[in-house]
Amino acid sequence: RKEVEQDPGPFNVPEGATVAFNCTYSNSASQSFFWYRQDCRKEPKLLMSVYSSGNEDGRFTAQLNRASQYISLLIRDSKLSDSATYLCVVRRGATLGRLYFGRGTQLTVWP
Amino acid sequence: NAGVTQTPKFQVLKTGQSMTLQCAQDMNHEYMSWYRQDPGMGLRLIHYSVGAGITDQGEVPNGYNVSRSTTEDFPLRLLSAAPSQTSVYFCASGRTEAFFGQGTRLTVV
Repeated sequence: RKEVEQDPGPFNVPEGATVAFNCTYSNSASQSFFWYRQDCRKEPKLLMSVYSSGNEDGRFTAQLNRASQYISLLIRDSKLSDSATYLCVVRRGATLGRLYFGRGTQLTVWP
Repeated sequence: NAGVTQTPKFQVLKTGQSMTLQCAQDMNHEYMSWYRQDPGMGLRLIHYSVGAGITDQGEVPNGYNVSRSTTEDFPLRLLSAAPSQTSVYFCASGRTEAFFGQGTRLTVV
């Protein structure tokens, strides 16, 4: 079983829509969780860390459910510029150590 | 703000050739790593290092060597290139999160 599983999509939504991505992880000892964004032919960049109590950054909301080993990302009021691939990332340790990447969920926002 | 710098950005090799992908970071990060990214496969860890002089294998290490003589540099060596090593290679460094270089697009013919 893969360490991190994501629905690959693609998700195609109109501008202004709300879209949610889900991710599950297999190792219950995982301690750190992130969402990365990767534009076409570019490097991945950190979108946001995911905290146990859930956290929000503007139009983006991340949730963590440790009991279900489930992470989510909600994007409200989608913009054309949100079109990208979103990577769910998990690390077993609190700091350092290797990261485990999901295969990514592709999002296209159309006008 | 250089961050993580990878060179070259593009490379074409013939089967059997060797080469070194360079990676340098100026953030004084202990942890550095190399990934390859193939369509439908996501990012797969090749090798990583938790500090100068310390390296370890990831999930796809075969055909690649690394060394870490300084905190700043973490080169990846392809010993004898094969078409299966055609991929996009990313170097990353970081403490709690990973900062990625811009990638090297390698084609082996």
